[in-house]
Amino acid sequence: GESVGLHLPTLSVQEGDNSIINCAYSNSASDYFIWYKQESGKGPQFIIDIRSNMDKRQGQRVTVLLNKTVKHLSLQIAATQPGDSAVYFCAENLGGSQGNLIFGKGTKLSVKP
Amino acid sequence: GAGVSQSPRYKVAKRGQDVALRCDPISGHVSLFWYQQALGQGPEFLTYFQNEAQLDKSGLPSDRFFAERPEGSVSTLKIQRTQQEDSAVYLCASSSPGQGQRNEQFFGPGTRLTVL
Repeated sequence: GESVGLHLPTLSVQEGDNSIINCAYSNSASDYFIWYKQESGKGPQFIIDIRSNMDKRQGQRVTVLLNKTVKHLSLQIAATQPGDSAVYFCAENLGGSQGNLIFGKGTKLSVKP
Repeated sequence: GAGVSQSPRYKVAKRGQDVALRCDPISGHVSLFWYQQALGQGPEFLTYFQNEAQLDKSGLPSDRFFAERPEGSVSTLKIQRTQQEDSAVYLCASSSPGQGQRNEQFFGPGTRLTVL
């Protein structure tokens, strides 16, 4: 299938290492943030979300950190596996209602076995 | 079905042709979104429905783009007189306000449109 990762920043890590993917969001009024994983030829898949009243949220092998002061999000993946190889997007939502998401540029994660 | 489905998965159109892209959201999901994803870019918002009402169409790039959801379930994105710049993956997502304050949007696999 076609690659969604052309012209994107790439992070290359060794299997078993931790990965950190960063994202700068655009609007200080955004109150909800999501990280999505997108594999080639597929739609974005939800990984983890966080609301603006939190600084940190943990899931299974993943942690999201939110720094509202500098409008920065990060996604940490522990013990990265080859199956984690994909393009990762952060997305922000401006309001608490069912509004549209604004996606960042994306980062391609490549895991070396 | 278990997830959002879209058809066709691939569509090749000659410049000037009209196309119709279909989205079947998750059953019971009230909200439905269409996004356009150019190669190597993140998805960009096109339009949003709550049930059958189109509440936001600010992302539609031109009046050649039209979306409908007449019965509040299946949605169709229509592009008239397609142009080469319309070539992209068109993603549909649905979500349910019944999930509390979560706004998680579930995405379909997309339709890759290529305009020759």
